[in-house]
Amino acid sequence: QVQLVQSGAEVKKPGASVKVSCKVSGYTLTELSMHWVRQAPGKGLEWMGGFDPEDGETIYAQKFQGRVTMTEDTSTDTAYMELSSLRSEDTAVYYCATISYTDAFDIWGQGTMVTVSS
Amino acid sequence: QPVLTQPPSASASLGASVTLTCTLSSGYSNYKVDWYQQRPGKGPRFVMRVGTGGIVGSKGDGIPDRFSVLGSGLNRYLTIKNIQEEDESDYHCGADHGSGSNFSYVFGTGTKVTVL
Repeated sequence: QVQLVQSGAEVKKPGASVKVSCKVSGYTLTELSMHWVRQAPGKGLEWMGGFDPEDGETIYAQKFQGRVTMTEDTSTDTAYMELSSLRSEDTAVYYCATISYTDAFDIWGQGTMVTVSS
Repeated sequence: QPVLTQPPSASASLGASVTLTCTLSSGYSNYKVDWYQQRPGKGPRFVMRVGTGGIVGSKGDGIPDRFSVLGSGLNRYLTIKNIQEEDESDYHCGADHGSGSNFSYVFGTGTKVTVL
């Protein structure tokens, strides 16, 4: 059974960067397609990007291109999402989610709250 | 890419049924939609995927038989029969679009289900 465990809550100032981790257990990272989704307080879900196993590339939602970087450390089965130039609107819970036994995001991490405040 | 429209709220009495609707924008009638449940203060949980022929693939882990789906035209439905208190949640629909470097994923705005 795949489990995703994320790093703890973060508080950042506007303009700073944040890096959230997502550790995989039960599978190896190379067997999964890892994606990142965020949810601002009281709002819906928003896909940020993820790994395309077909061509080995990471795809980013247009909204975040230039500001987000998603990486993977296969030696520790840990995925990372780094968001730069933070602004107050980036305050949200950030989730890693993976496609494992279906074609949908069938396993989710517990979420990481990122607060951007001066 | 498609736009997914969901009503903001729905309710049902304990033990009754409720049907949630996710409507795809025009031109996307062949798209499959994924349903996710999000209990208060928790992360999303995959329910199941639905196309015009009904469920696609497997249900999510631990999803009871009370949950079922149908698809027709631009609409994708999630029905909860014999609704229980633990079903009180936000329900989000989502759909993938494109492939490779053109891949994207969109979510609806979610429907809050209240059990009366």
